[in-house]
Amino acid sequence: AQKVTQAQTEISVVEKEDVTLDCVYETRDTTYYLFWYKQPPSGELVFLIRRNSFDEQNEISGRYSWNFQKSTSSFNFTITASQVVDSAVYFCALSQPNFGNEKLTFGTGTRLTIIP
Amino acid sequence: GAVVSQHPSRVICKSGTSVKIECRSLDFQATTMFWYRQFPKQSLMLMATSNEGSKATYEQGVEKDKFLINHASLTLSTLTVTSAHPEDSSFYICSAPGPVYNSPLHFGNGTRLTVT
Repeated sequence: AQKVTQAQTEISVVEKEDVTLDCVYETRDTTYYLFWYKQPPSGELVFLIRRNSFDEQNEISGRYSWNFQKSTSSFNFTITASQVVDSAVYFCALSQPNFGNEKLTFGTGTRLTIIP
Repeated sequence: GAVVSQHPSRVICKSGTSVKIECRSLDFQATTMFWYRQFPKQSLMLMATSNEGSKATYEQGVEKDKFLINHASLTLSTLTVTSAHPEDSSFYICSAPGPVYNSPLHFGNGTRLTVT
């Protein structure tokens, strides 16, 4: 069975601090996709990143970076120099078997609050 | 980029009435769309896969007669919550794969349904 665990329910940090959001996943598939989505208070889901299971290279995009480690089944997300606009709920997700990257299993989300 | 539009963004209805939610792909065609449900402070749960020209595929535990899905065209899927009850109050969000092969899911802005 598939499972995505985001153990951190809520995190609060002061603006400009770095913060890491944890994501641990379980799957029997050898080929899968991992995702991070941002859900601001307005409700929409904003796509942040997709990572193929064969690509373990870490990725950096501006203040965002992702650390994918298959050995520990983790796909952690770090925001450096956090800003108030980063306040949102962040979801980690895993693609379901046989559906490419279309059907997703989501974690329970981490609510991130950046304190000005 | 690819945009998925969802309407209405908020709806309040009385118990026993039916509510229709529309999901449109604005500048691309989507033969498949996905409907998710999110309870307050919880994760997104896949309800069903909407297929253009054929019946929707429902996830286990989702009542087909309760949540009617119609994929009338390549750009429109509708979810009708029939005979709504307070326990149906939730955030419903649709998604569609982008127009480019193997592109990630794009999500609508969601619909917050409140049944009184």
